[in-house]
Amino acid sequence: KNQVEQSPQSLIILEGKNCTLQCNYTVSPFSNLRWYKQDTGRGPVSLTIMTFSENTKSNGRYTATLDADTKQSSLHITASQLSDSASYICVVSVNTGGFKTIFGAGTRLFVKA
Amino acid sequence: DAGITQSPRHKVTETGTPVTLRCHQTENHRYMYWYRQDPGHGLRLIHYSYGVKDTDKGEVSDGYSVSRSKTEDFLLTLESATSSQTSVYFCAISESPPLSNTEAFFGQGTRLTVV
Repeated sequence: KNQVEQSPQSLIILEGKNCTLQCNYTVSPFSNLRWYKQDTGRGPVSLTIMTFSENTKSNGRYTATLDADTKQSSLHITASQLSDSASYICVVSVNTGGFKTIFGAGTRLFVKA
Repeated sequence: DAGITQSPRHKVTETGTPVTLRCHQTENHRYMYWYRQDPGHGLRLIHYSYGVKDTDKGEVSDGYSVSRSKTEDFLLTLESATSSQTSVYFCAISESPPLSNTEAFFGQGTRLTVV
């Protein structure tokens, strides 16, 4: 069964600290993996998109990694800011020629001053 | 927000009434999607469209219908709303299908409450 599991469910960190969010998936065949940021009351916004052959992708203070062998991805946030408080969603697309994408339930990040 | 407008943003309706949500885009993207987001669940695809008058079902399509008569508009209709359809609904657009590596853009969401 195609699944995307994210951990932790929620996380509280102090402003300026780094953190890493995890995404494990059982999707097959794999097409690509995306990380989204979703602020409260708003739609998700794309952070990174990675294909099978990419190990790392950065977007400012956000760095995503992908290990296609172990089917794991992580999102590392450097020098966190209060504005990083949001849900972070991992999404995996299935390479079956259709429109199947599996969304994780997200990690809720709280950055405290 | 990438030229996507969802309307209404909030709606409360009674069980058994029909409801239509609208998604309007100004990006001329071919693909449009309707998702629902519920606590503890990832976003789930309801229906999608790959062109004018071309639509197909997603994983949670029961009780929903869609129409796309123009490139810029994608309507989601709940024929007879039920309490289980209380949710936040998101519209998304993309130039290419999800298995490509192009970005998808989401609207602000519509919070629907069925009482």
